Amino acid sequence: GQQLNQSPQSMFIQEGEDVSMNCTSSSIFNTWLWYKQDPGEGPVLLIALYKAGELTSNGRLTAQFGITRKDSFLNISASIPSDVGIYFCAGQDNYGQNFVFGPGTRLSVLP
Amino acid sequence: SAVISQKPSRDICQRGTSLTIQCQVDSQVTMMFWYRQQPGQSLTLIATANQGSEATYESGFVIDKFPISRPNLTFSTLTVSNMSPEDSSIYLCSVDGGPRDEQYFGPGTRLTVT
Repeated sequence: GQQLNQSPQSMFIQEGEDVSMNCTSSSIFNTWLWYKQDPGEGPVLLIALYKAGELTSNGRLTAQFGITRKDSFLNISASIPSDVGIYFCAGQDNYGQNFVFGPGTRLSVLP
Repeated sequence: SAVISQKPSRDICQRGTSLTIQCQVDSQVTMMFWYRQQPGQSLTLIATANQGSEATYESGFVIDKFPISRPNLTFSTLTVSNMSPEDSSIYLCSVDGGPRDEQYFGPGTRLTVT
């Protein structure tokens, strides 16, 4: 079945630094989603991307739908302690199909 | 987006028993989904539940082990049957919404089987 890869698997950054993470697939996707999961909580949808090349922001978060439609990127600017958590990407290859989730990037922010 | 609640939030169960997890949504939705998240892992779809029809299970999941009910447009249950320690996971329900049916998740049920 389809699989998504996320990089890096985990990262430790200093508060105030910018963060970049990506999600790649061997298949083409038509929709990319980015989620954040806090400990003990369900994933929360951060950003949804619907077409190749699209760049969308949500506060300090910016995500891009890769031109090849096989990847997506999430950037967090000026990180703060509450950014700690696991970030999941999810892709959908055809409208109406189920979403596939990546393995996640675990972010730790050091004060 | 819809507000989704789950009961129980967590439970510790004995091997061989069954647990039923409830999912309540504050608005009517056509499709509800059940996911499993094993410790330190990503989300895996168990099944899709439509009101008035049998749930559709993903490869590796069977109705006898994970029976699902969907009695109306705001409620669903997932039962984890004849539990073993390998069933220890977070179980999440979700609903779809938005332009491309993006998934919105409940808070999850953390299950530990001893």
